[in-house]
Amino acid sequence: SQTIHQWPATLVQPVGSPLSLECTVEGTSNPNLYWYRQAAGRGLQLLFYSVGIGQISSEVPQNLSASRPQDRQFILSSKKLLLSDSGFYLCAWSPGPGANVLTFGAGSRLTVL
Amino acid sequence: GQQLNQSPQSMFIQEGEDVSMNCTSSSIFNTWLWYKQDPGEGPVLLIALYKAGELTSNGRLTAQFGITRKDSFLNISASIPSDVGIYFCAGFNGNKLVFGAGTILRVKS
Repeated sequence: SQTIHQWPATLVQPVGSPLSLECTVEGTSNPNLYWYRQAAGRGLQLLFYSVGIGQISSEVPQNLSASRPQDRQFILSSKKLLLSDSGFYLCAWSPGPGANVLTFGAGSRLTVL
Repeated sequence: GQQLNQSPQSMFIQEGEDVSMNCTSSSIFNTWLWYKQDPGEGPVLLIALYKAGELTSNGRLTAQFGITRKDSFLNISASIPSDVGIYFCAGFNGNKLVFGAGTILRVKS
């Protein structure tokens, strides 16, 4: 069966420090991968999605970047965190073209101080 | 961009009552999904709807994909305390899933 892992679960970082959140999916190949951000426990905002290795689509201009170095690995990064980067970050996957149900990871809570 | 309008924003109901929430959009979607999120966790899929007019049940949950493909509703019958959480509708078109702002459900026991 397929599983999605996301880490770290919680992170407290100072302003200006770098960020790396990692997400991996097991039990499938060539998934679509997604990063969402959720602020204040409400709506989910799509940040990035990827349909294949090295293919990243950005949805909103921001201080973050994403990379997909391997088929089932998706990384969210920042060189210098801002206070406004605080939030709950969710990785998700779907089986690929034509498949339209997303399965989410457990989330990473980022607090920037 | 595509937006989903989800209502109500929050509900505070008595245990045993039925609950109804809905989503509307100005855009057509080819799939509607309903997720539930417990505090500090990722959303979990409740029901997926793939055809206009489709009515699907999952236990005490029932959801429908509107005929116009621009709306969907979710009903929860006989609510229980563990139904608390945030419920999200989501519409899928292409490679992206667009979420509503969520409905916070609180149940009085």
